Amino acid sequence: DGGITQSPKYLFRKEGQNVTLSCEQNLNHDAMYWYRQDPGQGLRLIYYSQIVNDFQKGDIAEGYSVSREKKESFPLTVTSAQKNPTAFYLCASSIYREGQPQHFGDGTRLSIL
Amino acid sequence: GNSVTQMEGPVTLSEEAFLTINCTYTATGYPSLFWYVQYPGEGLQLLLKATKADDKGSNKGFEATYRKETTSFHLEKGSVQVSDSAVYFCALLDTDKLIFGTGTRLQVFP
Repeated sequence: DGGITQSPKYLFRKEGQNVTLSCEQNLNHDAMYWYRQDPGQGLRLIYYSQIVNDFQKGDIAEGYSVSREKKESFPLTVTSAQKNPTAFYLCASSIYREGQPQHFGDGTRLSIL
Repeated sequence: GNSVTQMEGPVTLSEEAFLTINCTYTATGYPSLFWYVQYPGEGLQLLLKATKADDKGSNKGFEATYRKETTSFHLEKGSVQVSDSAVYFCALLDTDKLIFGTGTRLQVFP
């Protein structure tokens, strides 16, 4: 079955540590996205990538970094510069064509110890 | 800029009741519109979509019509079930990025 796999499902971080969230897709989609979801709020875009070796900042990129070395993979690093990292992180992918929906993984919940 | 506004929840209904969740948007042009559903602890699932004015998206008994006159994309279902309890997000596609509403929690009781 094709889909998007995010790992781990739960992640704990000590203050001052960087952590990397994994996102892999086997849908052969060109574009990939990272969103952050906080309680009672909608999703906010962190970074997105339309093609390998290229990515753009979203609305809340500060304190985060990404790479896109392979079409299938789009890992997100939450750096120690992100002052409030506790949230639910969602990865998505889509065919890069007008009107095409994004498909989401099951998310990673990050908490600070 | 483009934006999406959803009615605040929670929406609480008895099983078999009629559901409406309001969604209005602000956009230049006519973007594609989507409804996503999120069950507890999970990611978002695409529920339905409409890509142009007057299109009606439908899936699993849910429907929404793209109304350009009222810039709306309200979600409706004739008879809800307990299993429909979830958070519903309205979204529009702005070039290559999705813009989401804040979500509406639906609670259905037997």
